Amino acid sequence: NAGVMQNPRHLVRRRGQEARLRCSPMKGHSHVYWYRQLPEEGLKFMVYLQKENIIDESGMPKERFSAEFPKEGPSILRIQQVVRGDSAAYFCASSPWGDSDTQYFGPGTRLTVL
Amino acid sequence: AQTVTQSQPEMSVQEAETVTLSCTYDTSENNYYLFWYKQPPSRQMILVIRQEAYKQQNATENRFSVNFQKAAKSFSLKISDSQLGDTAMYFCAFARRETSGSRLTFGEGTQLTVNP
Repeated sequence: NAGVMQNPRHLVRRRGQEARLRCSPMKGHSHVYWYRQLPEEGLKFMVYLQKENIIDESGMPKERFSAEFPKEGPSILRIQQVVRGDSAAYFCASSPWGDSDTQYFGPGTRLTVL
Repeated sequence: AQTVTQSQPEMSVQEAETVTLSCTYDTSENNYYLFWYKQPPSRQMILVIRQEAYKQQNATENRFSVNFQKAAKSFSLKISDSQLGDTAMYFCAFARRETSGSRLTFGEGTQLTVNP
């Protein structure tokens, strides 16, 4: 039973480019969460999605950041016009319907902005 | 809003000994969950243990156990018979109990080093 998959594991972008991070939840899981971890800090919540719906995006910056979880395919976290301050590790977690309290994490995507 | 505080940025312990990591939280909620996650050098976030606030019995998972004091809003993690592989950053986390899911609020972490 595969765990939460994230790709790419490492992503390097120059300032002003776009970054797309992908997350495939565990089989049977319909809830996806995105968190950001800045260097030497804890994880901070960004957005919570269910299939085709954004449930809570209160942790996501209003500009340049967007997220989706389509009916088919992985969840995507998109960062437009990246800046150096976006350099961080981005973690995706998923949880199953009916047991939505425990979240299982993917390995993370480390974004570096040059 | 919920807050989670881990007051020990770093701790160390000798192999085979016992260590306790502290966590306090602040919330006005009555129904919630508490978690400990570990993040080894690989950076993978691994669930260690969870506790439902409505259960008085402390959770246990093999060498890991918690001391949950609801009135004091305290949730400490005890690691018995420490092993070198326990070296990691440990995060305490809080989630409201919701039927449709809820975000995790994390503390800043405690870096645990197990010495041979």
